[in-house]
Amino acid sequence: NAGVTQTPKFQVLKTGQSMTLQCAQDMNHEYMSWYRQDPGMGLRLIHYSVGAGITDQGEVPNGYNVSRSTTEDFPLRLLSAAPSQTSVYFCASSRGMSGYTFGSGTRLTVV
Amino acid sequence: AQKVTQAQTEISVVEKEDVTLDCVYETRDTTYYLFWYKQPPSGELVFLIRRNSFDEQNEISGRYSWNFQKSTSSFNFTITASQVVDSAVYFCALYTGGFKTIFGAGTRLFVKA
Repeated sequence: NAGVTQTPKFQVLKTGQSMTLQCAQDMNHEYMSWYRQDPGMGLRLIHYSVGAGITDQGEVPNGYNVSRSTTEDFPLRLLSAAPSQTSVYFCASSRGMSGYTFGSGTRLTVV
Repeated sequence: AQKVTQAQTEISVVEKEDVTLDCVYETRDTTYYLFWYKQPPSGELVFLIRRNSFDEQNEISGRYSWNFQKSTSSFNFTITASQVVDSAVYFCALYTGGFKTIFGAGTRLFVKA
């Protein structure tokens, strides 16, 4: 099993550009989420999904969109990138509250 | 409101020393889960342990042990005889329902040879 696959690993965007961070899991986990990691702030929840067709906002949802059309995929869209969105992004999945399996992360820089 | 506090920002020890990472949580819920994750220098996040609010038994796994005390709202993590490979950032996390897990700010552990 591949677990949770995130692409790309690195990305540089110009302010105002849009992009999609991809996340796919092959463990048939119903629960998926996106976090951002910033120095000294731990991981903050952006959006999450409890199943295909169901998504909801986390702590810091502004500037991001998500969709969950299948159990496997949970892409994160940056609508109009801003320097404040420079961060490391992690996708995670779990079956119930068994503990997350995380992707390898995407390091995003917005200039 | 739910909150996780890891007051130790950085800890530095010499190999073979024991080290305890503190985690204090806040919640008014009676049912919740607590977690520890490890983030080594390579950057990935690795699940270490889950404990639910009804199980206050301490857990031991090799050199790792966890002490859960509801009376002090703490879920501390001890590494016995630390090794260089234990150098990482460690995160404590809390789930209280609503499908949201919140994380502490993390404790960076340096283990020197």
